[in-house]
Amino acid sequence: AQSVTQLDSQVPVFEEAPVELRCNYSSSVSVYLFWYVQYPNQGLQLLLKYLSGSTLVKGINGFEAEFNKSQTSFHLRKPSVHISDTAEYFCAVRDTGFQKLVFGTGTRLLVSP
Amino acid sequence: EPEVTQTPSHQVTQMGQEVILRCVPISNHLYFYWYRQILGQKVEFLVSFYNNEISEKSEIFDDQFSVERPDGSNFTLKIRSTKLEDSAMYFCASSEEGGGYTFGSGTRLTVV
Repeated sequence: AQSVTQLDSQVPVFEEAPVELRCNYSSSVSVYLFWYVQYPNQGLQLLLKYLSGSTLVKGINGFEAEFNKSQTSFHLRKPSVHISDTAEYFCAVRDTGFQKLVFGTGTRLLVSP
Repeated sequence: EPEVTQTPSHQVTQMGQEVILRCVPISNHLYFYWYRQILGQKVEFLVSFYNNEISEKSEIFDDQFSVERPDGSNFTLKIRSTKLEDSAMYFCASSEEGGGYTFGSGTRLTVV
């Protein structure tokens, strides 16, 4: 069965510092991988996705993620964060033969001045 | 950019009452979904719908839940007899074959 682990429930960081939000997944088949962002009291917005091809995926708002099949990871990175990046970030996985998305528990990114 | 539209944004209902949450998926998408997020917890899959029938459902999606696509544009989630623990944010989503989902902005259901 699929599962997603986001080890860090909260990541505090200063503005303009780099950040990495970790995501590991388990699945017995090939997968699609996603990162979603949820701003306070809002819905889920797709940041980026890995379907196939290049393992380095670039998304919106300057975020990128790297798919590492051997480590079953899909960590999210940004070289310089802004206050406005403060939000909850969810990693999600989907087996390629199915439609259901399985989400991690989320990581709250707190950016302070 | 195409959007998934959900109404209402907030619904308050008394325990035991029926509620219907409404969604308008993206028009050329074929797969439709409902997810929920209890406050402070992760997003959980409820049900997927394809070709006018349920293609997959979770353990959460018991007999008190049902989904329907009554016309060519709407996709609804009905909760027959609401319980306090049904209080959550409910997200509708749609997708094409493969690829990522597009989520709606959610309906916050409060059962009192």
